[in-house]
Amino acid sequence: NAGVTQTPKFRVLKTGQSMTLLCAQDMNHEYMYWYRQDPGMGLRLIHYSVGEGTTAKGEVPDGYNVSRLKKQNFLLGLESAAPSQTSVYFCASSYSLAGGPQDIQYFGAGTRLSVL
Amino acid sequence: QKEVEQDPGPLSVPEGAIVSLNCTYSNSAFQYFMWYRQYSRKGPELLMYTYSSGNKEDGRFTAQVDKSSKYISLFIRDSQPSDSATYLCAMNSGGSNYKLTFGKGTLLTVNP
Repeated sequence: NAGVTQTPKFRVLKTGQSMTLLCAQDMNHEYMYWYRQDPGMGLRLIHYSVGEGTTAKGEVPDGYNVSRLKKQNFLLGLESAAPSQTSVYFCASSYSLAGGPQDIQYFGAGTRLSVL
Repeated sequence: QKEVEQDPGPLSVPEGAIVSLNCTYSNSAFQYFMWYRQYSRKGPELLMYTYSSGNKEDGRFTAQVDKSSKYISLFIRDSQPSDSATYLCAMNSGGSNYKLTFGKGTLLTVNP
């Protein structure tokens, strides 16, 4: 039972390079989220998806793009990485938005990204 | 005023101590309250979930919600070194609101 799997676990980029972070969940959850976690800033929502083919902006979407072509996968892209994007990125998924225990978000183990 | 305030600590206690972790919030619409535990270099995992005001107990852990004071707490009894982690409170208003609002987390160390 894998839950939420993120790849890669670590990555070092040079400024201006691009990359894609992959999130996969095997719980048949409708909703998926990308967060970044920085010291002193807590978890901040980048983008989210309420179903296959849908995406929406969170609190800090600038510099990132996302796609949800398949229900189980949620991709986070950095087109031109900047040092300010050095962070730990977490993907999460949940069953519904309607309130109640289904709203519990399940997190992956994270991707540590450094942009030099 | 931030929506959710949480003392970042760090908090260091001896093994066996009772630990109290707290969050305050400003949005009176919040009615679902969660505590996540995050070990170093891991993702957050749900520890406790409560709805509206009251207490919920699970083993050594007790979650309390006081909506009148906009204050939530997590108590850990007989704390163990394995409880050493960052504890994040999270909450939302339910309904069609997707967003979980997180506290910044409190780093707890339990010393053997």
